[in-house]
Amino acid sequence: QSALTQPASVSGSPGQSITISCTGTSSDVGGYNYVSWYQQHPGKAPKLMIYDVSNRPSGVSNRFSGSKSGNTASLTISGLQAEDEADYYCSSYTSSSPHVFGTGTKVTVL
Amino acid sequence: QVQLQESGPGLVKPSQTLSLTCTVSGGSISSGSYYWSWIRQPAGKGLEWIGRIYTSGSTNYNPSLKSRVTISVDTSKNQFSLKLSSVTAADTAVYYCARGNPFYAVGFDYWGQGTLVTVSS
Repeated sequence: QSALTQPASVSGSPGQSITISCTGTSSDVGGYNYVSWYQQHPGKAPKLMIYDVSNRPSGVSNRFSGSKSGNTASLTISGLQAEDEADYYCSSYTSSSPHVFGTGTKVTVL
Repeated sequence: QVQLQESGPGLVKPSQTLSLTCTVSGGSISSGSYYWSWIRQPAGKGLEWIGRIYTSGSTNYNPSLKSRVTISVDTSKNQFSLKLSSVTAADTAVYYCARGNPFYAVGFDYWGQGTLVTVSS
């Protein structure tokens, strides 16, 4: 099972919006509405930010939103803040395995 | 508040078996419909799902690791464990245990802090 494809890095200025893509196939992202997104700060465990493509767990800021079109899912962070600087990973259910992660994206706040 | 804590040797020799245990506190490992997973992350690299177990004993493994992985659960100790055989330097990573929550479909809502395992002679 190959990792889902994410851009290595995305950057933006405070207050701006950025979008991170997560590209898979019809056997994972495109075939199921089971995409999650995680935020990981250096040296810390990942934190669940989005589940089922576009839902936020309780306590997660509404500045984080998710969507999907075809085989590509996206995470948008609006009103970018310094604390959003972190690595972000998508994850999807697949036809051959319950979980596959994306390659990860480093978000830099300029 | 549920907490997970990984434990085990930080150094394993090549060709040997890596063994880790995750202790769950703040709730019974058997309560609810949760599943319990192992995930690893080599230094500077991405996350890799290793496998999962339900407290019924049912397991699923990453196809790429399936031949070397065994995950087990001990409900009496509120623990689940990972064994990875025939390790090489490529298995050096931070290993996390995590709780899968069916409410979140494929989402992991609680994670351990992670433990670094180095494979070296």
